[in-house]
Amino acid sequence: QVQLVESGGDVVQPGRSLRLSCVVSGFTFNNYVIHWVRQAPGKGLEWVAVMSYDGSNRYYANSVKGRFTISRDSSKNTLLLQMNSLGVEDTAVYYCAGAETLRAPHRFWGQGTPVTVSS
Amino acid sequence: DIQMTQSPSTLSASVGDRVAITCRASQTISSWLAWYQQKPGKAPKVLIYKASNLESGVPSRFSGSGSGTEFTLTISSLQPDDFATYYCQQYNSYFYTFGQGTKLEIK
Repeated sequence: QVQLVESGGDVVQPGRSLRLSCVVSGFTFNNYVIHWVRQAPGKGLEWVAVMSYDGSNRYYANSVKGRFTISRDSSKNTLLLQMNSLGVEDTAVYYCAGAETLRAPHRFWGQGTPVTVSS
Repeated sequence: DIQMTQSPSTLSASVGDRVAITCRASQTISSWLAWYQQKPGKAPKVLIYKASNLESGVPSRFSGSGSGTEFTLTISSLQPDDFATYYCQQYNSYFYTFGQGTKLEIK
């Protein structure tokens, strides 16, 4: 059974950093690309970042480029999202989602982890 | 970046109705489009991929069509479980973008 479990969400002050984790089970981690997608309260879905199987390709939304870094620890079947210089506009539920390739829909989703940026 | 525009933003309908949601891309995306359903407090669920392919386990009353820049999600006969928010997403570019969503409400 495919499962993605996010953690690390918290309440932080503007300008601070936070690291999110997504632990994957039920499929071969290195055979899938994993995305981060976020949803601000009452708003729509916003794609954030993706990393290819081997980490050779990483893509970011313009809104987070230069502040967020996606990485993976294959030994722990874990995808990470390091978020720096957080602003109130980063407040959202963050989901990780799995896809077979970079050009495939987000087929598997976690339950989300909430991030609140507030002074 | 490719912009995705959905219409309408809100749709009121009754059980048994046939409804359609459209999604327009700011540039051609071939058929690299997916449709998702999201219910409050839950993660999205993929319904349609590559514009017209029904995801395994999704009821056949859902269908997708279109290519290039114009796409449509059709629900042939609304069921109570279908009242939710629907999003389109392009994955032609590796800067994936979602539409703003269409909330399907009970009339």
